[in-house]
Amino acid sequence: ETGVTQSPTHLIKTRGQQVTLRCSSQSGHNTVSWYQQALGQGPQFIFQYYREEENGRGNFPPRFSGLQFPNYSSELNVNALELDDSALYLCASSSNYGYTFGSGTRLTVV
Amino acid sequence: KNQVEQSPQSLIILEGKNCTLQCNYTVSPFSNLRWYKQDTGRGPVSLTIMTFSENTKSNGRYTATLDADTKQSSLHITASQLSDSASYICVVSRSLNSGYSTLTFGKGTMLLVSP
Repeated sequence: ETGVTQSPTHLIKTRGQQVTLRCSSQSGHNTVSWYQQALGQGPQFIFQYYREEENGRGNFPPRFSGLQFPNYSSELNVNALELDDSALYLCASSSNYGYTFGSGTRLTVV
Repeated sequence: KNQVEQSPQSLIILEGKNCTLQCNYTVSPFSNLRWYKQDTGRGPVSLTIMTFSENTKSNGRYTATLDADTKQSSLHITASQLSDSASYICVVSRSLNSGYSTLTFGKGTMLLVSP
């Protein structure tokens, strides 16, 4: 059984740039959700994908977008990066009641 | 508003001692409540999960309780070890009419176990 893998682990971008974060889901899980965790805060729900369609979204602007692929892996894209986008981005795959989190991508915007 | 509040914000205890972390929630409709352990810079790891009908769940030295009437939960850690130093996050899942569920996270309690 494979876990959830996120890449890259760390990333530094300049304000205004675009970034793509990647996540592989755990075997047997068809739902992927993304979270933003600022330093010292709990994770905040960004959006969720089920069978390649977005079926839930938190309070994040449209410049946060995503994709889910037929193998249930997923991407999070953020356009026009802002300094406040600096955070740990977590991906979780799930099926029924089981959630498995990846180790996250630490994004720093300078 | 769907919220999860945790207390204390941070806690320092001596190795071998017990501690209890608290979680209050207003998330609705309630599906289940989970406690996660998160090491710094890592993803959360599940400790326990409880549905509406369960009022206690143990996982080794971790024991979680749930009072669905008062919307409160606690996580009790016995005989603490240095490796227990981490953030402990209370997470409530709610199921929406569309059929999917979402997670609402507390800010976590930062636990430091001191030798």
